[in-house]
Amino acid sequence: DSGVTQTPKHLITATGQRVTLRCSPRSGDLSVYWYQQSLDQGLQFLIQYYNGEERAKGNILERFSAQQFPDLHSELNLSSLELGDSALYFCASSVGGGRDTQYFGPGTRLTVL
Amino acid sequence: AQSVTQLGSHVSVSEGALVLLRCNYSSSVPPYLFWYVQYPNQGLQLLLKYTSAATLVKGINGFEAEFKKSETSFHLTKPSAHMSDAAEYFCAVSDRGSTLGRLYFGRGTQLTVWP
Repeated sequence: DSGVTQTPKHLITATGQRVTLRCSPRSGDLSVYWYQQSLDQGLQFLIQYYNGEERAKGNILERFSAQQFPDLHSELNLSSLELGDSALYFCASSVGGGRDTQYFGPGTRLTVL
Repeated sequence: AQSVTQLGSHVSVSEGALVLLRCNYSSSVPPYLFWYVQYPNQGLQLLLKYTSAATLVKGINGFEAEFKKSETSFHLTKPSAHMSDAAEYFCAVSDRGSTLGRLYFGRGTQLTVWP
């Protein structure tokens, strides 16, 4: 158990819908990262937050957004869903950034029908 | 942007045999280097990481990796494979000196261990 929790574990929805994925980091970690894992693209970095502020953006679509709340949990919002958004979404947390170890949650498997 | 290449998307070994999983990075400045393992239906777990100093890094479960700057490589090895090592292994890098920490992953290597 990494100490990072993600809910829900599975999500099945239809095209055009909007969903919210939730992540609680390890106690004491200030950085939260979101990654997408798909067969086509592999593991790709989406976005990073540090202590409530956005720090870095990767290959995140405009239809996707995220935020980190004062209690440091984070949410990833995916809207106008397409079939191609079906993937495993991981949250990771670390103390800071750089060389700090990132601890991964169990992931949320999103299926868009 | 960083690029990570893992040679061999599938590797099969017999139980007790040497495990060698290959990873090469592209940047001219050596990055921070990581190996993660993913078991079915689970998240990623850190095996080991190289950030500075000793080029031979020991990790969990008997794995180790050697950083070779001249070869831009960070190959993962284990002297004797165990059935429980069957999983997918990912090499990842992040920019040295950066405070951001975003990871760039290779495409992964699926390790199969035969009895």
